[in-house]
Amino acid sequence: AQKVTQAQTEISVVEKEDVTLDCVYETRDTTYYLFWYKQPPSGELVFLIRRNSFDEQNEISGRYSWNFQKSTSSFNFTITASQVVDSAVYFCALSERGITGANSKLTFGKGITLSVRP
Amino acid sequence: GAGVSQTPSNKVTEKGKYVELRCDPISGHTALYWYRQSLGQGPEFLIYFQGTGAADDSGLPNDRFFAVRPEGSVSTLKIQRTERGDSAVYLCASSLTGWDSSSYEQYFGPGTRLTVT
Repeated sequence: AQKVTQAQTEISVVEKEDVTLDCVYETRDTTYYLFWYKQPPSGELVFLIRRNSFDEQNEISGRYSWNFQKSTSSFNFTITASQVVDSAVYFCALSERGITGANSKLTFGKGITLSVRP
Repeated sequence: GAGVSQTPSNKVTEKGKYVELRCDPISGHTALYWYRQSLGQGPEFLIYFQGTGAADDSGLPNDRFFAVRPEGSVSTLKIQRTERGDSAVYLCASSLTGWDSSSYEQYFGPGTRLTVT
């Protein structure tokens, strides 16, 4: 069974600090996909990134970067020079390819509430 | 373009009543998902449609919950004999279907907040 663990529940930082959100996953599938979503106070989930299991290259997008390490089953998310607008709940999620092939459910972690203070 | 839309945005109902929640996916997205999010938790999967058929309904909690997608676009989640424990935000998402069996990102709607009194 697939599982996502986000051990941190709440993180509070001061603006301009760097912050890393941890995500550890469990799966028995060899092909799987990892995602990060942001849920701001407005409530709507916003897609941030998708990574497949055979691509361990780290990715950077502006102030956001992601570190995928299969050896430790982790997919961590770093925000550099955080801003107040980054305040939100961040979810890591996993999708297994499974026997049905394309597209399957997302299994989410419990989320990390990030507060960025001015 | 237009995102995923859900109606109503809020629904208050009495215990024991029947409710229908509607989802209109992004145009061209053949995959449609329903999730339920309780306060302080991540979304939990309910059901997934590929076209008109339910490809995976393993997340439906019991037979009071049912969903349809008769024309492969709009979907309706139906809950019979509602219970207070059904109170949550019901989220709908849609995605493309990968020609190479890849799993595409899901785009979420704003949700329907269901309150059962």
